[in-house]
Amino acid sequence: DVKVTQSSRYLVKRTGEKVFLECVQDMDHENMFWYRQDPGLGLRLIYFSYDVKMKEKGDIPEGYSVSREKKERFSLILESASTNQTSMYLCASSYPGGGNTIYFGEGSWLTVV
Amino acid sequence: QQQVKQSPQSLIVQKGGISIINCAYENTAFDYFPWYQQFPGKGPALLIAIRPDVSEKKEGRFTISFNKSAKQFSLHIMDSQPGDSATYFCAASIAGNTPLVFGKGTRLSVIA
Repeated sequence: DVKVTQSSRYLVKRTGEKVFLECVQDMDHENMFWYRQDPGLGLRLIYFSYDVKMKEKGDIPEGYSVSREKKERFSLILESASTNQTSMYLCASSYPGGGNTIYFGEGSWLTVV
Repeated sequence: QQQVKQSPQSLIVQKGGISIINCAYENTAFDYFPWYQQFPGKGPALLIAIRPDVSEKKEGRFTISFNKSAKQFSLHIMDSQPGDSATYFCAASIAGNTPLVFGKGTRLSVIA
């Protein structure tokens, strides 16, 4: 079974803190994604990566950055957390190609106070 | 600009009834249309998917109906069960290596 693991399920951070959300997949997938999920807004793409050291902006990249130093690991970074970044963050991975299944992790709930 | 519009936002169905969730899109370049199911506390998981060369795909109690001319597709859940209570997302993508675009989701509650 494909496994996408988000190491932190629940985090509480203070405004202005730097936050790292880590994601690891075990299926040797080239593609990795970070989505944000908010009630009524669905899943919004923050950043994605099709290869190591490669990144592309999604629909809502402001306030976020990413790092992909190894194929299996994709990190989301909040340089200076703000309260409007309180949300659930979902990491996902897939093989290349438009019709391939995307596999999601279980999500990281971030609260910024 | 929302590329995939999903309705309704929430849905309550009696056990044994039919649940219907609709999605509409504008971009005619979309050629892959999956539905994802998400239970509370879990990430979304692929439920069923269709390509525009067919008008319907059925897997067990779940059916996707696809209307290319109307640029609409829908998910039908027959004989809905309380265990189907979840949030459902439609999505679409363009051929090649492009990310999925998701609808805003429908929270389905199946009551006994």
